[in-house]
Amino acid sequence: DAGITQSPRHKVTETGTPVTLRCHQTENHRYMYWYRQDPGHGLRLIHYSYGVKDTDKGEVSDGYSVSRSKTEDFLLTLESATSSQTSVYFCAISEWGQGASGYTFGSGTRLTVV
Amino acid sequence: SQQGEEDPQALSIQEGENATMNCSYKTSINNLQWYRQNSGRGLVHLILIRSNEREKHSGRLRVTLDTSKKSSSLLITASRAADTASYFCATDANAGGTSYGKLTFGQGTILTVHP
Repeated sequence: DAGITQSPRHKVTETGTPVTLRCHQTENHRYMYWYRQDPGHGLRLIHYSYGVKDTDKGEVSDGYSVSRSKTEDFLLTLESATSSQTSVYFCAISEWGQGASGYTFGSGTRLTVV
Repeated sequence: SQQGEEDPQALSIQEGENATMNCSYKTSINNLQWYRQNSGRGLVHLILIRSNEREKHSGRLRVTLDTSKKSSSLLITASRAADTASYFCATDANAGGTSYGKLTFGQGTILTVHP
């Protein structure tokens, strides 16, 4: 999607290994979010950021950490991957507070933990 | 916990027919949004309706919001095969603090439009 890219698009990793997913935006939006999408659960918020170095936990944050050292990049790290973290991960950006606009989503990262 | 519940879970119609999807939620909201997701793709924002609005239109889309019933509906008129996708409602909850735009999504409605 325009202005937001996720990498990698697909990844297979082994249980117990650390994994980092990257979200990069060129829209200079303040707010960034990581969601996971699983069948039967819809999208669930993992972590979000409301500014550089300002992050907080979402609904399903256990086993995940995030970092945002600059406006354009929001990294999601699975500290020690487990099979339950096999999912599709989406990053989103918004200008929340600036006229209440919707999210722009990335194309997603399909992660498989074996 | 899921804020939004959508109904029906799946909807199958013919091209030219109207499609209506419903969303219910549990808490007070700042706004409610609808998104579309084509298979294997990211979600695309369709429309946002604020808590003080009752109806909103965008092209073939019509969204209503009833805050007294904590429910919303999305109507797609004159459906096309290209409308085949999953549709999600999402709520920006007004929980007394600052939401930072965090959205809670429903599980979605799978719409299939047959040519």
